[in-house]
Amino acid sequence: GAVVSQHPSWVICKSGTSVKIECRSLDFQATTMFWYRQFPKQSLMLMATSNEGSKATYEQGVEKDKFLINHASLTLSTLTVTSAHPEDSSFYICSARDLNATAGISYEQYFGPGTRLTVT
Amino acid sequence: QKEVEQDPGPLSVPEGAIVSLNCTYSNSAFQYFMWYRQYSRKGPELLMYTYSSGNKEDGRFTAQVDKSSKYISLFIRDSQPSDSATYLCAMNTGFQKLVFGTGTRLSGQS
Repeated sequence: GAVVSQHPSWVICKSGTSVKIECRSLDFQATTMFWYRQFPKQSLMLMATSNEGSKATYEQGVEKDKFLINHASLTLSTLTVTSAHPEDSSFYICSARDLNATAGISYEQYFGPGTRLTVT
Repeated sequence: QKEVEQDPGPLSVPEGAIVSLNCTYSNSAFQYFMWYRQYSRKGPELLMYTYSSGNKEDGRFTAQVDKSSKYISLFIRDSQPSDSATYLCAMNTGFQKLVFGTGTRLSGQS
């Protein structure tokens, strides 16, 4: 099946620093990738939709200058948390939509294993 | 009111039992309904998807959608300890954005 990887799986950083999280589709091309965050015992909240070669679309309430998203190729999207603060500590999960997926059928999203960010 | 409501549990189920997980929703435009399984500290894994109303069966799993009641269910037969996970319902109108429920934590008993 389609595999999505994330790196790193866990990162601890100090308040005020920036952290970059990578999301890769390993065996398929993804024109669209999604970034979610998940707090403990809560659901996934979509942060932004990333399309290859264009600017990401952010959900309401998500600061685009704080969460920088780059989707430079069909297999890689990155999320950079700039000037991280303890309240940014969360589980960040990406998903990727197969380039060959049936148009409009969004169940064909494959999720990565997630990245746990802890800001001290 | 949230678009998708799901009882967070936890739900404790003896081995071999039938598990019933449910979600209700408010947006009548939702057409695609999915169930994901998420193990602790892992990404969600797609279990089942259903388009519009009806039932779908895959092995021990059965998904049901009742659009008239805005209610979806996932049944797991012959529950196993390995089924212990959080089960998330998700749905959308057919465009790309998925709306998730909060997830139900299932604890299987051996």
